[in-house]
Amino acid sequence: DAGVTQSPTHLIKTRGQQVTLRCSPKSGHDTVSWYQQALGQGPQFIFQYYEEEERQRGNFPDRFSGHQFPNYSSELNVNALLLGDSALYLCASSLFSRLPGNQPQHFGDGTRLSIL
Amino acid sequence: AQSVTQLGSHVSVSEGALVLLRCNYSSSVPPYLFWYVQYPNQGLQLLLKYTSAATLVKGINGFEAEFKKSETSFHLTKPSAHMSDAAEYFCAVSGIDDKIIFGKGTRLHILP
Repeated sequence: DAGVTQSPTHLIKTRGQQVTLRCSPKSGHDTVSWYQQALGQGPQFIFQYYEEEERQRGNFPDRFSGHQFPNYSSELNVNALLLGDSALYLCASSLFSRLPGNQPQHFGDGTRLSIL
Repeated sequence: AQSVTQLGSHVSVSEGALVLLRCNYSSSVPPYLFWYVQYPNQGLQLLLKYTSAATLVKGINGFEAEFKKSETSFHLTKPSAHMSDAAEYFCAVSGIDDKIIFGKGTRLHILP
């Protein structure tokens, strides 16, 4: 049973470019959340997708956008990259539940994005 | 709104000694609390979670945590540290939604 898979594992971009990161959720999961983890910090919530719609969003600018596909996989897009966008981007999947906090999120190993 | 404070960005213990990682939370609603572990170059793995059932929560790898509402704490403990426990540990909280708020993490060092 495959867990959460993310691609690519590493990526190097320059300022001003655009990037797309991909995530396949754990089998049976229908909800995908994205987190940004800067060096030496805890993960920060970017947004969450369920039923192909953004359900919740953290405190991130509109340069960060996403998409969820019918097979529940998801993409994170970042436009106009800044040096400060350098981070580990983590995808987490879970099974939608109306009971908050009831579904632990399973994390992928992340994509390390470096901006030059 | 929820927040988490982890006391001590680095903690060192000797192999075989007690591990204690401290976490205090703030939440305007009954919280759901989590501890995650992160090994180098990997994602996060759930150690344990508190969801308003028993206040003493047992997790994987011999870890446990106790929810103390009066102290707004959820400290993580393990009776006897093992070299393989060296990692980054994150305390986290969520409220009425599934948005998880993480602390800044505590790096656990195990001394031989």
